[in-house]
Amino acid sequence: KAGVTQTPRYLIKTRGQQVTLSCSPISGHRSVSWYQQTPGQGLQFLFEYFSETQRNKGNFPGRFSGRQFSNSRSEMNVSTLELGDSALYLCASSDSGTGETQYFGPGTRLLVL
Amino acid sequence: AQRVTQPEKLLSVFKGAPVELKCNYSYSGSPELFWYVQYSRQRLQLLLRHISRESIKGFTADLNKGETSFHLKKPFAQEEDSAMYYCALSHRSRGSTLGRLYFGRGTQLTVWP
Repeated sequence: KAGVTQTPRYLIKTRGQQVTLSCSPISGHRSVSWYQQTPGQGLQFLFEYFSETQRNKGNFPGRFSGRQFSNSRSEMNVSTLELGDSALYLCASSDSGTGETQYFGPGTRLLVL
Repeated sequence: AQRVTQPEKLLSVFKGAPVELKCNYSYSGSPELFWYVQYSRQRLQLLLRHISRESIKGFTADLNKGETSFHLKKPFAQEEDSAMYYCALSHRSRGSTLGRLYFGRGTQLTVWP
């Protein structure tokens, strides 16, 4: 099976702009989770979607949002970008998310200037 | 609250020496514990999970519920083991933390020739 794919791989934006990142899970996987990875904070959970519903959410401001489509593909959106949003955004998929192994994508590296 | 602690940010050993990467956790329920590894320029990938009790690439990890630890061990380190290692915890049963991984801050292992 093809692995988790994320697009774009690199992105440069300026403060105040918004950005949309995309994630295609492994075929058959219904759970998609998003994580933010920074040198200062490490890997932090953003949210998880399962069957088009947000099932869990981390401690991030409302500027961070996401959605999942019927084919399990997921997008996350960050509005009104801040310098501190510069990070590697990782997407992970699993079959059901209930303690199952999560398979990670290569990430989207976002730089906010 | 769930918490995963990896006390060593950096760990260096010589090839052929034993290596132990420490992981301690705090969790009130029955956790699922994982070790993920990230080699240079590669995506985050699962190394092993406690429930499978497998040995992957010579690594083993035993869940010690009394000490709330899940240390990763290998008797003879190899240069190709050099990577960033993350310990992670997941909630196994239904609940608000479904599909979420709590990561430690990671340990950068360097194996010298």
